Amino acid sequence: QTVVTQEPSFSVSPGGTVTLTCALSSGSVSTTYYPSWYHQTPGQAPRTLIYNTATRSSGVPDRFSGSILGNKAALTITGAQADDESDYYCALYMGGGIWVFGGGTKLTVL
Amino acid sequence: QVQLQESGPGLVKPSQTLSLTCTVSGDSINSGGYYWSWIRQPAGKGLEWVGRIYTSGSTNNNPSLNSRVSISLDTSKNQFSLKLSSVTAADTAVYYCARGGVHWYVLADYWGQGTLVTVSS
Repeated sequence: QTVVTQEPSFSVSPGGTVTLTCALSSGSVSTTYYPSWYHQTPGQAPRTLIYNTATRSSGVPDRFSGSILGNKAALTITGAQADDESDYYCALYMGGGIWVFGGGTKLTVL
Repeated sequence: QVQLQESGPGLVKPSQTLSLTCTVSGDSINSGGYYWSWIRQPAGKGLEWVGRIYTSGSTNNNPSLNSRVSISLDTSKNQFSLKLSSVTAADTAVYYCARGGVHWYVLADYWGQGTLVTVSS
């Protein structure tokens, strides 16, 4: 069974830049996995940030950008703010109508 | 503005069937060619995709849950539903419903607020 892997935790200074990644247990992530990214704060539903690798969802500031870096999908946050904290999830399309989420990254801004 | 609202029993006994409904407002569930998904999250853990249904009624389910999951549309009520059979404590989670985007590769554009389902006797 394919596992989608994210860094368990990451920290960034206010105003700084951070890149979170999304990898496969076997193989490389490419655009054909249509990676998407979600941000979730405690007690709230996730919010969609990025879909189709690099397309920002409506209302998402351009501080958030998606890409493929090497063999992983990546979410880069520039000019990190306090409300960027909490959990980030990626999801990959595995084909056959199946989606798989990564385990999530807890981002701390301090 | 599209809004989704989950509803259903908050407590289900082990071995029984979990049944949830997602009521959609601000959009018609049988127009636009969208996917409608269920996603769950056990307390303190990550998101897990459960399955989805297309406007046509075709479905895809998480292979790890496949034989226990059934997703259906009720266009007369503008709702879609999830049934998960033979539940155990491992199925205790917040369950979210979501609408995909205009393009098939958008997993979730709009999310419900989520509803907690606890499996316990």
